Amino acid sequence: DIQMTQSPASLSASLGETVTIECRASEDIYNGLAWYQQKPGKSPQLLIYNANSLHTGVPSRFSGSGSGTQYSLKINSLQSEDVASYFCQQYYDYPTFGGGTKLELK
Amino acid sequence: QVKLLQSGAALVKPGASVKMSCKASGYTFTDYWVSWVKQSHGKSLEWIGEIYPNSGATNFNEKFKGKATLTVDKSTSTAYMELSRLTSEDSAIYYCTRSGATEGIAHYWGQGVMVTVSS
Repeated sequence: DIQMTQSPASLSASLGETVTIECRASEDIYNGLAWYQQKPGKSPQLLIYNANSLHTGVPSRFSGSGSGTQYSLKINSLQSEDVASYFCQQYYDYPTFGGGTKLELK
Repeated sequence: QVKLLQSGAALVKPGASVKMSCKASGYTFTDYWVSWVKQSHGKSLEWIGEIYPNSGATNFNEKFKGKATLTVDKSTSTAYMELSRLTSEDSAIYYCTRSGATEGIAHYWGQGVMVTVSS
């Protein structure tokens, strides 16, 4: 199994701030990485795929980067509607997810 | 637009089985992989497995082999997952998802089915 280690587990930030969430794979996943957002009581929604491609309809304040085993999700100018949990997922091998990051407003 | 409509919540007894459905609409059902994902209460996500409706081919997370059975009904564009020999560890929300052009990416999600295993 490819293990995905996500950090931090929780995060508190202010409106307008820039937030970064990290994800480390246990081996090279060759950019086979997606990020999902899950709001309370809702299904996860795809934000980013192929490490840095924005899914249709996702605001441009979200961006993804990285390569090899290290990846990150950045949210510029944090909005109230961004309060959610965020998960990374690799699909280079059979899919596995990170433990999630719960983002709250300060 | 693509929609995945899942069946309702289920309360089942330990040792029993449960079968849930995922009705697809808004696209050609046979063209994309359908995956199933487990989310235990307050925790992260686990990929259970996937099925390609056109051929019925399946791939599974080793952890769920023997636990989950995936099938489809092409005539109704519906995917099914049956979970057997249920224990309290199987209490969770189960999502069906649809891939995009690349297998493994969950472009679309159903609303989820809450399964509670309790006597």
